[in-house]
Amino acid sequence: KAGVTQTPRYLIKTRGQQVTLSCSPISGHRSVSWYQQTPGQGLQFLFEYFSETQRNKGNFPGRFSGRQFSNSRSEMNVSTLELGDSALYLCASSLERDSYEQYFGPGTRLTVT
Amino acid sequence: GQNIDQPTEMTATEGAIVQINCTYQTSGFNGLFWYQQHAGEAPTFLSYNVLDGLEEKGRFSSFLSRSKGYSYLLLKELQMKDSASYLCAVEQDSNYQLIWGAGTKLIIKP
Repeated sequence: KAGVTQTPRYLIKTRGQQVTLSCSPISGHRSVSWYQQTPGQGLQFLFEYFSETQRNKGNFPGRFSGRQFSNSRSEMNVSTLELGDSALYLCASSLERDSYEQYFGPGTRLTVT
Repeated sequence: GQNIDQPTEMTATEGAIVQINCTYQTSGFNGLFWYQQHAGEAPTFLSYNVLDGLEEKGRFSSFLSRSKGYSYLLLKELQMKDSASYLCAVEQDSNYQLIWGAGTKLIIKP
């Protein structure tokens, strides 16, 4: 069974631009969560989608948005990029919304210059 | 507020035992996770504790005390491949959202 895939793996953008990141969960998994990881900060929860509905949202500004498609694939969008948005963005999938084990993708490393 | 504390870095010797502590203060609690993350890789699941006590899984064990807001991950017979960051995360009971600690970087020396 293929794992969680994320594209692209690396991205360099300039301030003010926007970016879209993609996540394909493990086949059969319906829940997708997004996290931002920066050195020393740990994983910060962005949002969680289940069956195309956003179930939870973290404390990030409205520049961060996401969606989930009927095939459970998910996208995350960041508009008007700031230098502080440089981070590793991780996607995790699980079978059900409250399933206790999340499977993480390799992440997308975003650098904003 | 939500607060999860772990030591930033620990060093141990190959073959030894190490205990990584995690203390938490959260508005709700459903369970506690430990994940392992090697440098440049995605986190991988290690354990999940809901009830008080020790859960053993091979060389790794995880302990939880809900009344004390405390957990630890115990690694025995340390191997060089155990060099990684260990992340503690609390699952909230209201929405199952995970609150993550900053992680403990474990360095194993020969």
